[in-house]
Amino acid sequence: DAGVTQSPTHLIKTRGQQVTLRCSPKSGHDTVSWYQQALGQGPQFIFQYYEEEERQRGNFPDRFSGHQFPNYSSELNVNALLLGDSALYLCASSSGRMNTEAFFGQGTRLTVV
Amino acid sequence: GESVGLHLPTLSVQEGDNSIINCAYSNSASDYFIWYKQESGKGPQFIIDIRSNMDKRQGQRVTVLLNKTVKHLSLQIAATQPGDSAVYFCAENRAAGNKLTFGGGTRVLVKP
Repeated sequence: DAGVTQSPTHLIKTRGQQVTLRCSPKSGHDTVSWYQQALGQGPQFIFQYYEEEERQRGNFPDRFSGHQFPNYSSELNVNALLLGDSALYLCASSSGRMNTEAFFGQGTRLTVV
Repeated sequence: GESVGLHLPTLSVQEGDNSIINCAYSNSASDYFIWYKQESGKGPQFIIDIRSNMDKRQGQRVTVLLNKTVKHLSLQIAATQPGDSAVYFCAENRAAGNKLTFGGGTRVLVKP
């Protein structure tokens, strides 16, 4: 049973560019959440997708957008990249609307130069 | 503002000793708490969770204690091993739907 998988593992982009990160949830999970983790800090909630809709959102600008597909996989898009967007982007999957165990992927390390 | 925080940024422990990692939370409405372990270059790994209707929960070598009176959470690791060296995060779930709020983390260093 595959866990949460993310791609790519590493990415280097230039300031002003756009990036798309991908996540496949754990088998049986239907909810995907995205987090940004700056170096030396805890993960910060970006947003969450359930039933192909954004259900909750953290304090991130509109440059951060996402999508969930019918197979529950998800994408995170970031437009007009800033140097400060450099971070580890984590995807977590869980099941349903209740508070349950959330499993994280290995993350995508994004470097903006 | 409301936050989840940790008392100690770094904990150094002798191999074989017990480790205790502490965490404070400020939102009395929080009803679900999780401890994660994160090794370098990896995503957070679920360790143990506890709901607000419980005071204590035990897993394999780990115990989580919840004191709702003082809004305090702790993770106890028994017989700490070198493989336990990592950063540990407590996370708070304030609403339905697994929106987690993380603290800044505690680094545990296990000395041989």
